Amino acid sequence: AQTVTQSQPEMSVQEAETVTLSCTYDTSENNYYLFWYKQPPSRQMILVIRQEAYKQQNATENRFSVNFQKAAKSFSLKISDSQLGDTAMYFCAFMGRDDKIIFGKGTRLHILP
Amino acid sequence: DAGVIQSPRHEVTEMGQEVTLRCKPISGHDYLFWYRQTMMRGLELLIYFNNNVPIDDSGMPEDRFSAKMPNASFSTLKIQPSEPRDSAVYFCASSLGAGPPYGYTFGSGTRLTVV
Repeated sequence: AQTVTQSQPEMSVQEAETVTLSCTYDTSENNYYLFWYKQPPSRQMILVIRQEAYKQQNATENRFSVNFQKAAKSFSLKISDSQLGDTAMYFCAFMGRDDKIIFGKGTRLHILP
Repeated sequence: DAGVIQSPRHEVTEMGQEVTLRCKPISGHDYLFWYRQTMMRGLELLIYFNNNVPIDDSGMPEDRFSAKMPNASFSTLKIQPSEPRDSAVYFCASSLGAGPPYGYTFGSGTRLTVV
């Protein structure tokens, strides 16, 4: 069974700094998708970024980028020039052949003014 | 597009009562998922549907939980009888197609409190 592990339960950084959230996963599949979701205090789950395992190039969405290391089964999220609105829970997630998304336990990120 | 719509946003009920949570997926999406979020267990997939048919209900915790999707625009998750340990946020999500890398679109969730 696939598993997703986020080893940092909580993090705090100053506004405008860069922060990296860690995620590792375990799977025997070769083709899959990885996601980062953001859950602000409003509770809404928002897709931040996605990565196809067959693509070697790391995905980037504005200030958000990932470091995808397939051999190491690592998928970290980097937030550049962090903003107060980035304060949220961040979930790493995996989708394999069965189309089910499996989530990690999340990292609570605080951006400090 | 109004997104995935869940109702109610909050529900408080007494132990033993029946609770029904509702979800309207995005029009045209043919996959619908129900998740439960708790502090202890994080986000757990309860059940998902494809074209209104339940595909995998292995995450449904007990027989007290049931889910239906009578048509493409509506799904319910029912708990009968409810227990305090069912208190959680329940999310519905929908997706277009089988396995495309779009992720899911989530509703705003229903916070259920069973007292």
